[in-house]
Amino acid sequence: DAKTTQPPSMDCAEGRAANLPCNHSTISGNEYVYWYRQIHSQGPQYIIHGLKNNETNEMASLIITEDRKSSTLILPHATLRDTAVYYCIVGRYYGGATNKLIFGTGTLLAVQP
Amino acid sequence: DVKVTQSSRYLVKRTGEKVFLECVQDMDHENMFWYRQDPGLGLRLIYFSYDVKMKEKGDIPEGYSVSREKKERFSLILESASTNQTSMYLCASSSGQGIGGGTIYFGEGSWLTVV
Repeated sequence: DAKTTQPPSMDCAEGRAANLPCNHSTISGNEYVYWYRQIHSQGPQYIIHGLKNNETNEMASLIITEDRKSSTLILPHATLRDTAVYYCIVGRYYGGATNKLIFGTGTLLAVQP
Repeated sequence: DVKVTQSSRYLVKRTGEKVFLECVQDMDHENMFWYRQDPGLGLRLIYFSYDVKMKEKGDIPEGYSVSREKKERFSLILESASTNQTSMYLCASSSGQGIGGGTIYFGEGSWLTVV
């Protein structure tokens, strides 16, 4: 599985958009970009995933560059409850036993009041 | 919504005890996983299972075993607990099928302390 690089920490003001970057320059053609977050002392929560098109759901938007070597997770209006560690991961789309999703150390997003 | 339930949230066990961590998922998922999470090391895969009675070693299987007798249930067993197994343990599942089948859903975690 491709490795990802994320900044260790970021701050964001409450009510503003939070833009979390991720580099995945070695991503292969059949690998998706997944984003998870983990609030302290809880299990990781799935946010969104995408292949090459931009994706949006009720939680966030995912922007993937045309060359697929990087992506940005956007939380449009960050709240204090969005303070968490955000993980960017690449993995195979079709699941199966080998899609284990390798987690790195993520980005700690601190939303400030 | 997918629900992955881990039976114990907090446990304290003695060195040498046999420890069972239970996990149940309610979405008829094929795949189930056990991870452990430690500060600075991220999530590391211990074992996974892609079918009943099937199991595969992850990255750190030493000192652990697993059991999957029913599709919805995946147990992690510490045969003889040691202090270096003090950690948060996370169970997860995925359908492995179709669109989004690679998405993994996690339980709330079990904090195990071995004294």
